[in-house]
Amino acid sequence: EPEVTQTPSHQVTQMGQEVILRCVPISNHLYFYWYRQILGQKVEFLVSFYNNEISEKSEIFDDQFSVERPDGSNFTLKIRSTKLEDSAMYFCASNGGSSYNEQFFGPGTRLTVL
Amino acid sequence: ELKVEQNPLFLSMQEGKNYTIYCNYSTTSDRLYWYRQDPGKSLESLFVLLSNGAVKQEGRLMASLDTKARLSTLHITAAVHDLSATYFCAVDKNGNKLVFGAGTILRVKS
Repeated sequence: EPEVTQTPSHQVTQMGQEVILRCVPISNHLYFYWYRQILGQKVEFLVSFYNNEISEKSEIFDDQFSVERPDGSNFTLKIRSTKLEDSAMYFCASNGGSSYNEQFFGPGTRLTVL
Repeated sequence: ELKVEQNPLFLSMQEGKNYTIYCNYSTTSDRLYWYRQDPGKSLESLFVLLSNGAVKQEGRLMASLDTKARLSTLHITAAVHDLSATYFCAVDKNGNKLVFGAGTILRVKS
């Protein structure tokens, strides 16, 4: 069964460093998303992406964040200068655009900023 | 701004008992989703509810949607230990994002 994959599973970085989180959405899906979940808290929307541009972004998704689909398969989230409060689990999701609009989530990348 | 509220936030129940988790949301939406999350894991889709009066069942879990009341319920029948997890409801605002509730931590005790 097709699934969303994410790498790395765990990333440790120093405050101020840049990180790139990678996702491979389900191959025929058209809509892509990033969410984050701070430990013990709810899942928060960051950004949605369709047709090579951002559809919507949240207040969390400030100038330090960017997304890119550099080729036909990968979808990346870049944090330019990480802060301690960026430590969280980051989930990528994709959606095939059916009437269900069901989003399928990847396994997540745990980001730890020291 | 769309708000999604779940209750209870924590539920400890005995095996074999029944209980219901409630999910209220603040603005009109026709799509509501229930996800399960095990500790340290991703979100597993349980139910997709698309219309008023929708009811779906899978094993010991049954979900329903009342769009007029802006309420969804997740009913657990005869709980077993394997159901212990965190359950999230999420509402599709405009096809661009899901807004999640805070989650209900379910612990089933034998």
